[in-house]
Amino acid sequence: GAGVSQSPSNKVTEKGKDVELRCDPISGHTALYWYRQSLGQGLEFLIYFQGNSAPDKSGLPSDRFSAERTGGSVSTLTIQRTQQEDSAVYLCASSIQRVETQYFGPGTRLLVL
Amino acid sequence: AQSVTQLDSQVPVFEEAPVELRCNYSSSVSVYLFWYVQYPNQGLQLLLKYLSGSTLVESINGFEAEFNKSQTSFHLRKPSVHISDTAEYFCAVSDNTDKLIFGTGTRLQVFP
Repeated sequence: GAGVSQSPSNKVTEKGKDVELRCDPISGHTALYWYRQSLGQGLEFLIYFQGNSAPDKSGLPSDRFSAERTGGSVSTLTIQRTQQEDSAVYLCASSIQRVETQYFGPGTRLLVL
Repeated sequence: AQSVTQLDSQVPVFEEAPVELRCNYSSSVSVYLFWYVQYPNQGLQLLLKYLSGSTLVESINGFEAEFNKSQTSFHLRKPSVHISDTAEYFCAVSDNTDKLIFGTGTRLQVFP
């Protein structure tokens, strides 16, 4: 079956521009997560959606970052006024329910010039 | 707050040798523990996990990890590695909040 998909696979943008990253989770998975993988920082949790509950935004690094999940399925991570330090691979994962295996997408590699 | 420590950033080893990748965690609550693997140019994949029950868990490709509560460790081991095991390995911990807290990763390089 289809896994987690993310688009675009690569994104190059100029400092100060806004970017939107998309995640399509595995069908039927109620939990969706965003992580960031950057050199020297490892993998960092950003935000977590579970069903209709309020998202856990505790990992978002600044108010330039936001995410939404429409209809309990597709999610969009938005970074406003991008900075060079935002350059990283942004990973999305989904799981069928709490405390279960998270399945990761291939990531979006973001480069801010 | 939870944290995960992977002390070894790189582990070079020859093919067919045994390997241990170390992982220690800190948490004040019950935890669930995971090892994820990232092969070159591929996404993260679950290797094995401990949720409850037997403290020794195994993967289908010969890796095993043992949950040691007293030492707060979840070291990953394989008795004989293969070239194809070359990858980056991430240890992660989760509590009831579900988000994964990852270690910084260990790059396993297997040489012929």
